Amino acid sequence: DQQVKQNSPSLSVQEGRISILNCDYTNSMFDYFLWYKKYPAEGPTFLISISSIKDKNEDGRFTVFLNKSAKHLSLHIVPSQPGDSAVYFCAASADYGQNFVFGPGTRLSVLP
Amino acid sequence: GAGVSQSPSNKVTEKGKDVELRCDPISGHTALYWYRQRLGQGLEFLIYFQGNSAPDKSGLPSDRFSAERTGESVSTLTIQRTQQEDSAVYLCASSRTGRGNEQFFGPGTRLTVL
Repeated sequence: DQQVKQNSPSLSVQEGRISILNCDYTNSMFDYFLWYKKYPAEGPTFLISISSIKDKNEDGRFTVFLNKSAKHLSLHIVPSQPGDSAVYFCAASADYGQNFVFGPGTRLSVLP
Repeated sequence: GAGVSQSPSNKVTEKGKDVELRCDPISGHTALYWYRQRLGQGLEFLIYFQGNSAPDKSGLPSDRFSAERTGESVSTLTIQRTQQEDSAVYLCASSRTGRGNEQFFGPGTRLTVL
């Protein structure tokens, strides 16, 4: 039973528009969330994080929103660029970042 | 290099053979993680080392899997009597401490069991 779900396996967005990647979780004990980006043949790289005491965290073009009551978080990329094309993983931790459960990933394609 | 390195990058083995995968974490990182990613699936946590504490082995899928870490340096993941379902990319990550810190991933080892 997946504790972290990313229900869209892929997403295509036009360059310059907003990309919204969604993540749902089932474990109400999760208190820390991260997004990772992965290019082919490389390991994932950290993108942005949010703890459960916040509902929004922004870093440049990337913003993560957390809705604890809905057990839902989303990553917004504005404006999207072709270099953002990658697989994005959502990860959640119940012990403030000791162990993480990763979602299956969403492949984002930003079209020029 | 300054990043996490893993070797080999690719490993093809026959069913029933043992394999050993190596991870060199970033110097000074006390926490080290092993994950597995099967085709089309997310990252599956395997094992976590933090300093001199007993490792968290809760993610190891069977007793054929084991891992060692020497101090705060190199780690090896050993899979005995490999099975075809062990085929996956095995990713290692390290972080400065075990809590609330971003993990830095290596490029992974792609294991194929024939």
